[in-house]
Amino acid sequence: KAGVTQTPRYLIKTRGQQVTLSCSPISGHRSVSWYQQTPGQGLQFLFEYFSETQRNKGNFPGRFSGRQFSNSRSEMNVSTLELGDSALYLCASSSATSGSGELFFGEGSRLTVL
Amino acid sequence: GDSVTQMEGPVTLSEEAFLTINCTYTATGYPSLFWYVQYPGEGLQLLLKATKADDKGSNKGFEATYRKETTSFHLEKGSVQVSDSAVYFCALVVVRGGGNKLTFGTGTQLKVEL
Repeated sequence: KAGVTQTPRYLIKTRGQQVTLSCSPISGHRSVSWYQQTPGQGLQFLFEYFSETQRNKGNFPGRFSGRQFSNSRSEMNVSTLELGDSALYLCASSSATSGSGELFFGEGSRLTVL
Repeated sequence: GDSVTQMEGPVTLSEEAFLTINCTYTATGYPSLFWYVQYPGEGLQLLLKATKADDKGSNKGFEATYRKETTSFHLEKGSVQVSDSAVYFCALVVVRGGGNKLTFGTGTQLKVEL
């Protein structure tokens, strides 16, 4: 069974640009979550989608947005990039409807903002 | 809000040494507790979990016991190997209105040397 796939794996952008990251969950998983990982802040929750609906949202500005498609694939978008957005963005999927905490993570998309 | 505190790293041990990584938590509600591991260049993997007080999670020689009275979930292994070198994250989830929103600690890097 294929794991969580994230694309692209690496990307470089400049300040003010926008970026879209993609995540394909494990087949059959309907919950997709996104986390930002940085050396200073650790792992910070961005948002979670379940059946195309945002179920939870972290404390990030409105520049960070996401969506989920009917096939459970998800995208996240960051507009007007800032230097501080440089991070590893991790996507995770889950088969559980709620509260199990058992997430399967992808390898991440490493974003560098210059 | 919910939070997880774990010991600072890096922790450097010789092969076959005993490992303890401390983790304490605060949560409004009754959390499930987890340890995730991140090997270099990879996403996170669930290592073990416990869902109620006095539960012991175990996997690959690692163990952690859910201690409600001390709000702790310390990770232990009796004899570490070089292959255990990774970053270890303690995490919790509280089922609150649905979802799988995990709160992570900052991570503890473990280096095991021959």
